[in-house]
Amino acid sequence: EVQLQESGPGLVKPSQSLSLTCSVTGYSITSNYWGWIRKFPGNKMEWMGYISYSGSTSYNPSLKSRISITRDTSKNQFFLQLNSVTTEDTATYYCARYYPGAGYYYFDYWGQGVMVTVSS
Amino acid sequence: DIQMTQSPASLSASLEEIVTITCQASQDIGNWLAWYQQKPGKSPQLLIYGATSLADGVPSRFSGSRSGTQYSLKISRLQVEDIGIYYCQQASSAPDTFGAGTKLELK
Repeated sequence: EVQLQESGPGLVKPSQSLSLTCSVTGYSITSNYWGWIRKFPGNKMEWMGYISYSGSTSYNPSLKSRISITRDTSKNQFFLQLNSVTTEDTATYYCARYYPGAGYYYFDYWGQGVMVTVSS
Repeated sequence: DIQMTQSPASLSASLEEIVTITCQASQDIGNWLAWYQQKPGKSPQLLIYGATSLADGVPSRFSGSRSGTQYSLKISRLQVEDIGIYYCQQASSAPDTFGAGTKLELK
């Protein structure tokens, strides 16, 4: 069974970088696509970006200058880095598999989420 | 970005009642629409993909439909375990965008 688990600090200071790890078991990240999604207080969800089986990336333009998604295939992990964070980046961050099933893309397996607060 | 207008924002319904949630896309997205359920304290779970296809393991009381650029999620007989927040998501055009969510409660 595919399982994903996020890890990283729950508190980040403004202007610093947020770094999260998604560890995947039961499936190789060298197949399909792997994404990050965040949910803000108040329930708004935002697609942040993904890294593909080949290592190519796609980012939400609203974040493009601050976001980086990378991977370590030897550990079957992928990573999120978000630079210059502000309090508006306070959210629960999820990693998920972005799967092209029946020709349509959707997130079929999700991590449990990690709550990140940006505060001094 | 494609806007997904989801309604209602909240909904209170009785057990066994029929519940319908809708999402209106700001432009044509074809069948590139998914629905997710998020129970309290849990991560989102895929319910429907391709606008109408039921995800593996999802009860048959859930169904999705499309009429033009309006998409609907129907729960035929509401159960206690259906309580949570429901989201639509379009993947037709990057960036993917989500509806604002519908909070479903028991009456």
